[in-house]
Amino acid sequence: DAKTTQPNSMESNEEEPVHLPCNHSTISGTDYIHWYRQLPSQGPEYVIHGLTSNVNNRMASLAIAEDRKSSTLILHRATLRDAAVYYCILRDVDDKIIFGKGTRLHILP
Amino acid sequence: DVKVTQSSRYLVKRTGEKVFLECVQDMDHENMFWYRQDPGLGLRLIYFSYDVKMKEKGDIPEGYSVSREKKERFSLILESASTNQTSMYLCASSFVGFRNQPQHFGDGTRLSIL
Repeated sequence: DAKTTQPNSMESNEEEPVHLPCNHSTISGTDYIHWYRQLPSQGPEYVIHGLTSNVNNRMASLAIAEDRKSSTLILHRATLRDAAVYYCILRDVDDKIIFGKGTRLHILP
Repeated sequence: DVKVTQSSRYLVKRTGEKVFLECVQDMDHENMFWYRQDPGLGLRLIYFSYDVKMKEKGDIPEGYSVSREKKERFSLILESASTNQTSMYLCASSFVGFRNQPQHFGDGTRLSIL
């Protein structure tokens, strides 16, 4: 399985945008890039996914580099409720998801 | 909204007991999964199922078995519980379609084996 690399932790101020990076230099042409997050005491929650083009939904935006070797999850206006662990995952032909250690996002009031 | 329900949030059992963890989803998903989550190790896949009565081993199946008799229900069984199986257990489900189908998770069962 292709691997992803994320910073262990990040901090951001409330009501400011947050850019969460993910490197996936060994990505294959058919891998989708998925993001999940896990709030304290809850199961992981799907956030967004994409293949080549940038994607937007009500929760976030996903910016994918032209060579697809990296991507960035963008939270446009962070709130305290966005404090969570964010996982960047590549998905190929298998239905399994391999979770790494993710980025722990701290939001400062 | 998709709902994945795990039968217990917290469970305490004794070494050697047979333990059943139940998971039910209400969205007619073909795929169901069991993970465990431990500090510093992230989520690890134990077993998954892509159809009724079908199962596949994940990365850490030892000491576990599963049962899927109905599409909406996926059970994880600890045949003889041991203390190293103390963990958070998470169930998930999804439509078939691998790369572009999100998985939906339950809120987990925190299992303690004494």
